Amino acid sequence: GQSLEQPSEVTAVEGAIVQINCTYQTSGFYGLSWYQQHDGGAPTFLSYNALDGLEETGRFSSFLSRSDSYGYLLLQELQMKDSASYFCAVRDKTGFQKLVFGTGTRLLVSP
Amino acid sequence: EAGVVQSPRYKIIEKKQPVAFWCNPISGHNTLYWYRQNLGQGPELLIRYENEEAVDDSQLPKDRFSAERLKGVDSTLKIQPAELGDSAVYLCASSPTGARANVLTFGAGSRLTVL
Repeated sequence: GQSLEQPSEVTAVEGAIVQINCTYQTSGFYGLSWYQQHDGGAPTFLSYNALDGLEETGRFSSFLSRSDSYGYLLLQELQMKDSASYFCAVRDKTGFQKLVFGTGTRLLVSP
Repeated sequence: EAGVVQSPRYKIIEKKQPVAFWCNPISGHNTLYWYRQNLGQGPELLIRYENEEAVDDSQLPKDRFSAERLKGVDSTLKIQPAELGDSAVYLCASSPTGARANVLTFGAGSRLTVL
């Protein structure tokens, strides 16, 4: 099976940079995804890393290292609206190729 | 384009009652997912459809849960009878095939409270 670990909560101030880590255990997977979810809202897709390295999309960047079974989401120039939960997810290569989500990291941005 | 539409948004029932949730995915998305999300947790897959075929229902508690996706478009998830532990948000998501198969679009969810 798969397991993904994320910190439960991260706090930061507006304008700062924050990194949310995700470590995973899986026998093989296609790539690492990140989703954002505001309280009471739907998860929304942020990024997908199929290959090792850094992917940048505006203020958000995502990194993957398959050899270290590790990835992270980097949020720059934090804004209050970035306060939300962030989930990493992997799609397993075995069995049903299930997309499995981590337990999520709650990001609190303060003024 | 319209997103993934789910109904109802909220449902409160007593235990042992039945409940059904409906989902209309994004037009053209062949893959449809039902996830369950408990408070403070990540979504957990219940069932995944490719068109009208359920390709992964390994996590669906089949003694009380059922799902269907007739004609490969909209889908219904049913619980009968509901138990207290079924209180959660039921999320429907869809995705296209091909290069963007890993980009899931979620609906707003159906929040179930079982009393």
